[in-house]
Amino acid sequence: QAVLTQPSSLSASPGASASLTCTLRSGIDVGSYRIYWYKQKPGSPPQYLLNYRSDSDKQRDSGVPSRFSGSKDASANAGILLISGLQSEDEGDYYCMIWHYSAVVFGGGTKLAVL
Amino acid sequence: QAQLVQSGSDLREPGASVKVSCKASTYTFTKYAMNWVRQAPGQGLEWLGWINTDTGNPTYAQGFTGRLVFSLDTSVSTAYLQISSLKAEDTAVYYCARGEGLCSDNRCYFRHWGQGTLVTVSS
Repeated sequence: QAVLTQPSSLSASPGASASLTCTLRSGIDVGSYRIYWYKQKPGSPPQYLLNYRSDSDKQRDSGVPSRFSGSKDASANAGILLISGLQSEDEGDYYCMIWHYSAVVFGGGTKLAVL
Repeated sequence: QAQLVQSGSDLREPGASVKVSCKASTYTFTKYAMNWVRQAPGQGLEWLGWINTDTGNPTYAQGFTGRLVFSLDTSVSTAYLQISSLKAEDTAVYYCARGEGLCSDNRCYFRHWGQGTLVTVSS
């Protein structure tokens, strides 16, 4: 079982909200981790968006709209990237990342379609 | 704004080696770790490891030790990734990414990325 699991795809309508999940493998407690989120457009390197550990310990990169926010769902053992007020330019692949045993682990990515 | 410029695409035969360069500019090279990440065609991101640009100490992801070598030339602010014994499965875009925060403390993340270098392994 992969360390981080993301749904392969998600679609939502313009103006709606999208909740992208990043589920940690059973036995790895999401509460102990800082979750990083990246967005990637085809043909471009990933773009760092934000990281979230708790409501008092989070950071959105400069230039990233406040429509992007992070959270956790402890009951699902998952990190969440919430994008509100979806726009067409939000389409792309989204990756979560953690540091686990001194190594970086990426989720498999979620392709977000806005249609 | 940090800039990372990578070498151009490369085509190699299976069993050969390749060396990818990543030239940094507009910041002090030795103040930030350099990470390497690859992405196979149509696939997700895979972290290869990082190098401390101050000490030159590399850390390799599990499964790659022995085939990867990270190196530096601090006189020209450039990091290198060398992969030996190339296989078809190594075909990917290889990215360098500057580590923000302390990679040694498992807290760094990647704000600045190179443009990517496509390495194709084929006979």
